[in-house]
Amino acid sequence: NAGVTQTPKFRILKIGQSMTLQCTQDMNHNYMYWYRQDPGMGLKLIYYSVGAGITDKGEVPNGYNVSRSTTEDFPLRLELAAPSQTSVYFCASREEGTTDTQYFGPGTRLTVL
Amino acid sequence: GQQLNQSPQSMFIQEGEDVSMNCTSSSIFNTWLWYKQDPGEGPVLLIALYKAGELTSNGRLTAQFGITRKDSFLNISASIPSDVGIYFCAGQTQGAQKLVFGQGTRLTINP
Repeated sequence: NAGVTQTPKFRILKIGQSMTLQCTQDMNHNYMYWYRQDPGMGLKLIYYSVGAGITDKGEVPNGYNVSRSTTEDFPLRLELAAPSQTSVYFCASREEGTTDTQYFGPGTRLTVL
Repeated sequence: GQQLNQSPQSMFIQEGEDVSMNCTSSSIFNTWLWYKQDPGEGPVLLIALYKAGELTSNGRLTAQFGITRKDSFLNISASIPSDVGIYFCAGQTQGAQKLVFGQGTRLTINP
């Protein structure tokens, strides 16, 4: 199993541009999560999904959108990039019914200039 | 919303020293998790705790679930250079679908 994979690893955007951060997991996990980590800070939950077709807001959802059309994929969309969205983005997944162990991807480092 | 206070924020120690860090919450958690994040990587689970008072070890790491269920502790014995990184605590209440993360403890080791 590859686990949780994220693309791209790095990206630089101009203000107002849009992009999609990709996240895929091959563990057949129902639960998937998107976090952002600002420099020197902890993880803040952006959106999460408990299964295909179901998504819900986390702590900091403004400026982002998600979709979950398949169990494997959970893309995160930035429509109008702003400097405040400069961060490292982590995707995570876990199996329904397990005791909360989330498996993280390697992250996408995004800079908005 | 729920918040976890993790301390210390950073530690600078000599190789071979023991390390202690902790997390406290204003609310009760049913699960406590400890993760480590290496530079440029995603967090990796170190230890999971599911019962108040539980003490669990993973090699040189030992973590405890506080009996009040509002705190947890992580100890690292005889630190080595590869212990460098950021350590995060995370908690979850029963039935919740999300984890709450602490701010992290950045560990630096002088050889």
